[in-house]
Amino acid sequence: DGGITQSPKYLFRKEGQNVTLSCEQNLNHDAMYWYRQDPGQGLRLIYYSQIVNDFQKGDIAEGYSVSREKKESFPLTVTSAQKNPTAFYLCASSITQGGGELFFGEGSRLTVL
Amino acid sequence: RKEVEQDPGPFNVPEGATVAFNCTYSNSASQSFFWYRQDCRKEPKLLMSVYSSGNEDGRFTAQLNRASQYISLLIRDSKLSDSATYLCVVNPPLRAGNNRKLIWGLGTSLAVNP
Repeated sequence: DGGITQSPKYLFRKEGQNVTLSCEQNLNHDAMYWYRQDPGQGLRLIYYSQIVNDFQKGDIAEGYSVSREKKESFPLTVTSAQKNPTAFYLCASSITQGGGELFFGEGSRLTVL
Repeated sequence: RKEVEQDPGPFNVPEGATVAFNCTYSNSASQSFFWYRQDCRKEPKLLMSVYSSGNEDGRFTAQLNRASQYISLLIRDSKLSDSATYLCVVNPPLRAGNNRKLIWGLGTSLAVNP
């Protein structure tokens, strides 16, 4: 079955530690995205990638980093520089960047203690 | 005016009722529109895409009113399983530097009661 797999689903970390969230897709989509969702807030774009070896900052990229070495994979690192990292992180993909039909993974819920 | 605005609700309706939500958008040149459904603590899932005047899929109808800059979602014969948050998403016109990043509404909460 085609889809997007995010791992881990739940993650607890101490303040000051870097954390990497995995996102893998087998939909053969070119574009991939990372969003963050906080209670009572809309989805906010962290980073997106239109093609392998290319990525762009979204609206709230500070304290995050990504890589896109393979078409299937778009991992997100939450660094210690991110002031308020506790959130629900969603990875998505679409056939091309610029469309609105996104497929989401099940999300990763990060809690920083 | 916010770029995308939705009534947060909650809308509480009995099973079998018809319910409609509106979503207003500020950029009149926006090209396409989408409704996503998000269950509690789950990922959003695409419900409908709207590229012209509207779209219909079973019990769900989305309509676009460009003159008044809103899109609506109508759900007929509500089921208990329709209880969720409905997110309105607008695809803005392509401009230098925006790379057509989607604009997400905060969502409208629907509770269908037995």
